[in-house]
Amino acid sequence: TQLLEQSPQFLSIQEGENLTVYCNSSSVFSSLQWYRQEPGEGPVLLVTVVTGGEVKKLKRLTFQFGDARKDSSLHITAAQPGDTGLYLCAGASAAGNKLTFGGGTRVLVKP
Amino acid sequence: EPEVTQTPSHQVTQMGQEVILRCVPISNHLYFYWYRQILGQKVEFLVSFYNNEISEKSEIFDDQFSVERPDGSNFTLKIRSTKLEDSAMYFCASTRESRSYNSPLHFGNGTRLTVT
Repeated sequence: TQLLEQSPQFLSIQEGENLTVYCNSSSVFSSLQWYRQEPGEGPVLLVTVVTGGEVKKLKRLTFQFGDARKDSSLHITAAQPGDTGLYLCAGASAAGNKLTFGGGTRVLVKP
Repeated sequence: EPEVTQTPSHQVTQMGQEVILRCVPISNHLYFYWYRQILGQKVEFLVSFYNNEISEKSEIFDDQFSVERPDGSNFTLKIRSTKLEDSAMYFCASTRESRSYNSPLHFGNGTRLTVT
């Protein structure tokens, strides 16, 4: 069974600070996806990383896939209150789109 | 932008009753999925569906569960005899291709199922 562990579970920071969320596994994934989920809504894809060591940037968000494709991180620079939300990582199986989700990190950015 | 739509948004049912959760995937998508999220727990894969048959299912997806694409647009999840532990948020998702890096999953907003 593939497992993904996210840390921390909850993060509260002041506007303008930086934060990093980690996603770790003992399993190798063909790709890893980061989602953001708002209350009452489904997860919305932020980015997919595929290649070991890959780094992708989405404005103030930087996503990195570990060299061994077992772990990933999400770094937010100069966080804003609009970044508040639940961030989920999910690993894709080699066969296709079956996703294994992490438990999520709830981020609160205070103005 | 096209969306995956799910109905109803909230379903309350009594233990032992059958429920059908409905989803309309994005029209040119070919692969369909159900995931669920029990309150406070991780999002869990239930089943994937392609070409009118199940391509993969999890241990959760036992004989009480079934999926169907009855008319080429709807994709349904049926639970035959609901149990208290079936209470969860059920998410439908669809994608155009089987590989997630080529074609991301689009999730609906979910149906909250409450079994009393």
